[in-house]
Amino acid sequence: EAQVTQNPRYLITVTGKKLTVTCSQNMNHEYMSWYRQDPGLGLRQIYYSMNVEVTDKGDVPEGYKVSRKEKRNFPLILESPSPNQTSLYFCASSLPPTGFGTGELFFGEGSRLTVL
Amino acid sequence: SQELEQSPQSLIVQEGKNLTINCTSSKTLYGLYWYKQKYGEGLIFLMMLQKGGEEKSHEKITAKLDEKKQQSSLHITASQPSHAGIYLCGADIWKNTGNQFYFGTGTSLTVIP
Repeated sequence: EAQVTQNPRYLITVTGKKLTVTCSQNMNHEYMSWYRQDPGLGLRQIYYSMNVEVTDKGDVPEGYKVSRKEKRNFPLILESPSPNQTSLYFCASSLPPTGFGTGELFFGEGSRLTVL
Repeated sequence: SQELEQSPQSLIVQEGKNLTINCTSSKTLYGLYWYKQKYGEGLIFLMMLQKGGEEKSHEKITAKLDEKKQQSSLHITASQPSHAGIYLCGADIWKNTGNQFYFGTGTSLTVIP
């Protein structure tokens, strides 16, 4: 089954304790991205990756790191989490059409993170 | 600043009523997408519009991109409780730094049986 898998789905942690949210897709998609969703602010892009070893900042990259060593995986790293990073996180992937654009995004089920 | 403005923010309608959600940008949209989200869950793709004046329909949902490619509308005919959720528009917008994908702030739809 074609899917984007995120783990963990739920996490409560404390300020400063490094954590990684994994994202894996089995559709051979080139494009992968991370979003956070907050009430009143909608979905905001954190980082995106056009292909292996190619990553770029989105709108809200501060406090986050990513890596794209393999095509299927795109982990989100919070080196020193803070309470303002409490949010619902989504990973997404797509196969961009020839030319221009992101194409249809396939989303994971979300990871709800609470930082105390 | 918000690249994509969506209106209304929320909508409560009686089952069977029609409704329209709008998505507007000050920049030309290279690919406009509509997604639906059940509360707290991942987004589901509805449809994509690329050409000015393009209109697509799926079951009772119709989306249209205006000729100038700066505004899109999503219209639901004879709404049902299964239509409830958050509707988000998304678009590729060209900036000086390159292409970036943005979402609107979303429209929360409640359908009362």
